Amino acid sequence: EVQLVESGGGLVQPGGSLRLSCAASGFTFSSYWMHWVRQAPGKGLVWVSRINSDGSSTSYADSVKGRFTISRDNAKNTLYLQMNSLRAEDTAVYYCARDLVAAHDYWGQGTLVTVSS
Amino acid sequence: QSALTQPASVSGSPGQSITISCTGTSSDVGGYNYVSWYQQHPGKAPKLMIYEVSNRPSGVSNRFSGSKSGNTASLTISGLQAEDEADYYCSSYTSSSTWVFGGGTKLTVL
Repeated sequence: EVQLVESGGGLVQPGGSLRLSCAASGFTFSSYWMHWVRQAPGKGLVWVSRINSDGSSTSYADSVKGRFTISRDNAKNTLYLQMNSLRAEDTAVYYCARDLVAAHDYWGQGTLVTVSS
Repeated sequence: QSALTQPASVSGSPGQSITISCTGTSSDVGGYNYVSWYQQHPGKAPKLMIYEVSNRPSGVSNRFSGSKSGNTASLTISGLQAEDEADYYCSSYTSSSTWVFGGGTKLTVL
């Protein structure tokens, strides 16, 4: 069974940093591209970032480019999102998702990030 | 990258069919057959319903179907059931090697 479990969310002050993790199991993690998608409270889904299977290629939404870094450790079956210079508008539930032909076929349960003083 | 355009809400009675539209540009929806659709119930993670415009993942009911014409993709749900009431989002790959979601459509089953 495919499982994605996010962790690392919490309350952080504006300008602060946080690192999210996504532990994967039930599939060959190193064979799949992975994504981060976020959802602000009461709002819609917003794509954040994507990484290819070996970590050599990444892409980001304009809203997070230069502040967020996606990475992965295939030996640990874990996806990461390093978030720096956090802003109030980054407050959201952050989901990791597996890529299937440019779609997102499995999602984690999400981890809430709150940016507030 | 601007969000894809979806109607804010649609409704239908049990047994009826409804269609949700998703309008983008030639740089996303119109340029690639990488349109996907997601169902999200309150407090839950999204669920993939359609990928590559019209393909259904294993386990998704054949009451759900997808299509595309030009810059607009569509999700049709036939034989509407109470459990179909949820938010629906479209998504597309873009020419910038990024992805974009629609604003979401709330489906109400009357």
